[in-house]
Amino acid sequence: EPEVTQTPSHQVTQMGQEVILRCVPISNHLYFYWYRQILGQKVEFLVSFYNNEISEKSEIFDDQFSVERPDGSNFTLKIRSTKLEDSAMYFCASTGSGNEQYFGPGTRLTVT
Amino acid sequence: QQQVKQSPQSLIVQKGGIPIINCAYENTAFDYFPWYQQFPGKGPALLIAIRPDVSEKKEGRFTISFNKSAKQFSLHIMDSQPGDSATYFCAANPSSNQFYFGTGTSLTVIP
Repeated sequence: EPEVTQTPSHQVTQMGQEVILRCVPISNHLYFYWYRQILGQKVEFLVSFYNNEISEKSEIFDDQFSVERPDGSNFTLKIRSTKLEDSAMYFCASTGSGNEQYFGPGTRLTVT
Repeated sequence: QQQVKQSPQSLIVQKGGIPIINCAYENTAFDYFPWYQQFPGKGPALLIAIRPDVSEKKEGRFTISFNKSAKQFSLHIMDSQPGDSATYFCAANPSSNQFYFGTGTSLTVIP
């Protein structure tokens, strides 16, 4: 069964450093998303991406964040200068032509 | 502004019981309502979803009831099992890209 994969599973970084979180969406999917979940809290939408450009973004997705689809399979989230409050689980998701959205296993980001 | 309101925050039932989790929304543009199940340390997994043209959808032990006029929908888990212990999130999507999630319900099924 096709699935969304994410790497790394856990990333530890120092405050102010840049991190890149990687995702491989399901191969025939068209829409890609990044979500954030602070421990024990709800899933928060960050950004959606379609046809090689951002289609929607939330207030959380400020100038320190960027997304890219550098090739036909990968989808990345870059955080330019990490802050302590960026510590969270980051989930990538994708949908095909329907609405069914499939999530990856997540990357736990710890900023120290 | 919370687009989708979910309750209760936590729920404890005995094995075999029928936990019910409720969600409410305001935006009438929402036209797709999924439920996700999340185990600790894992990503949310799509469980079941409904569109507003039907009032109920059943898949195995999971049932969504949908009340379009009240703008509410709920998840029922029949014959609940300890393995159903997880966090459940409702969500709504307005045919655009963004999915709006509820705040989650932590379900514990006691053997």
